[in-house]
Amino acid sequence: DSGVTQTPKHLITATGQRVTLRCSPRSGDLSVYWYQQSLDQGLQFLIQYYNGEERAKGNILERFSAQQFPDLHSELNLSSLELGDSALYFCASSVGDSPNQPQHFGDGTRLSIL
Amino acid sequence: AQSVAQPEDQVNVAEGNPLTVKCTYSVSGNPYLFWYVQYPNRGLQFLLKYITGDNLVKGSYGFEAEFNKSQTSFHLKKPSALVSDSALYFCAVRIGAAGNKLTFGGGTRVLVKP
Repeated sequence: DSGVTQTPKHLITATGQRVTLRCSPRSGDLSVYWYQQSLDQGLQFLIQYYNGEERAKGNILERFSAQQFPDLHSELNLSSLELGDSALYFCASSVGDSPNQPQHFGDGTRLSIL
Repeated sequence: AQSVAQPEDQVNVAEGNPLTVKCTYSVSGNPYLFWYVQYPNRGLQFLLKYITGDNLVKGSYGFEAEFNKSQTSFHLKKPSALVSDSALYFCAVRIGAAGNKLTFGGGTRVLVKP
């Protein structure tokens, strides 16, 4: 058990809808990361927050947004969903912002768009 | 462009034999390199990292990796593979000047046969 909690585990919705994925980092971790894993794109970094502030941005679509709250949990919001958004979305956390610190991953939220 | 590559989609090895999973990277500056393992329906688990220092890095579950700067490689090794090592293995490199953004290779599926 990595200590990173993601909810829900599975999400099934339709095109055009909006969903929110939630992540609770390990106790004491200040950084939260979001990744998307799909068969065609592989594992892609989306965004990092550190202590409530956006720290690094990857290939995140404009339809997607994220935030980190004062209690350090994070939410990833996906809107105007398309079939291609079907994927496994991972949250990871680390103690700080240093590359010396490994990221610890949750078990993911599997999003299926019908 | 900074990237990481895993040239083999799958590696098959008999139990008890040495296991090697290959990874090459392309980054500017000093690389921060990581190996993660993913079991079915689970998130990624950190195995080991190279930041600086000894070229041979020891990690979890008996795995080690050899950093070779001249060949820009960071191959994962295990002297004696177990059936339970069957999983998907990812090499990753930290890129960018800010934050802790990881770029992952495409993954290598390892199948250890009894």
